[in-house]
Amino acid sequence: QVQLVQSGAELKRPGASVRVSCKASGYTFANYYVHWVRQAPGQGLEWMGIINPIGGSTTYAHKFQDRISMTRDTSTNTVYMELSSLRSEDTAVYYCARVDDFWSGLFDYWGQGTLVTVSS
Amino acid sequence: QSVLTQPPSASGTPGQRVSISCSGDSSNIGSNYVYWYQQLPGTAPKVVIYRNNQRPSGVPERFSGSKSGTSASLAISGLRSEDEADYYCTTWDDSLTGWVFGGGTKLTVL
Repeated sequence: QVQLVQSGAELKRPGASVRVSCKASGYTFANYYVHWVRQAPGQGLEWMGIINPIGGSTTYAHKFQDRISMTRDTSTNTVYMELSSLRSEDTAVYYCARVDDFWSGLFDYWGQGTLVTVSS
Repeated sequence: QSVLTQPPSASGTPGQRVSISCSGDSSNIGSNYVYWYQQLPGTAPKVVIYRNNQRPSGVPERFSGSKSGTSASLAISGLRSEDEADYYCTTWDDSLTGWVFGGGTKLTVL
């Protein structure tokens, strides 16, 4: 069965970086793009970016352009999202989700979410 | 401030029909497909409508979507208690070159 399994919760200090992983299984990794979406406590969904597992090309939301990096490891079918220069406003649950086409908004499978807490 | 505008809340009694709106502009809803997601507390979102009005397998026929100009709507008929959740619309924005979400609507089944 299709699964996206994310890494565990993180506690980070302001100014630090965090890397969240998303390991895919149950499908052909190369056939699906992976999005990252976050949700601050009690708030709505916010799109962060997308990565093409073939070649690793990325498109990021303008808001995160200068401090986000998405990569993938095709040997382990894992996608990574790294966010740097963390501030308290980055405290959120971070989700990965797959789509079968760059232009599709049909996120059919999601990871379980990773809580990142930024606090001094 | 979300690019797409949704009412923060909606409510209905069991069996009723409720509608949730999503308003955008020509660079997003006006020129791209709209998708709707249901999020139950503590869980990841789940798609209930894709490409404006298509229902994924497993989603009850009670859920329907529509789009007109720069606005879209999600309708739920025969409301049930398990429909109580947060609902989000999303679409691609040509100006922002990215996906944008509405602020979400909390649906309460009275």
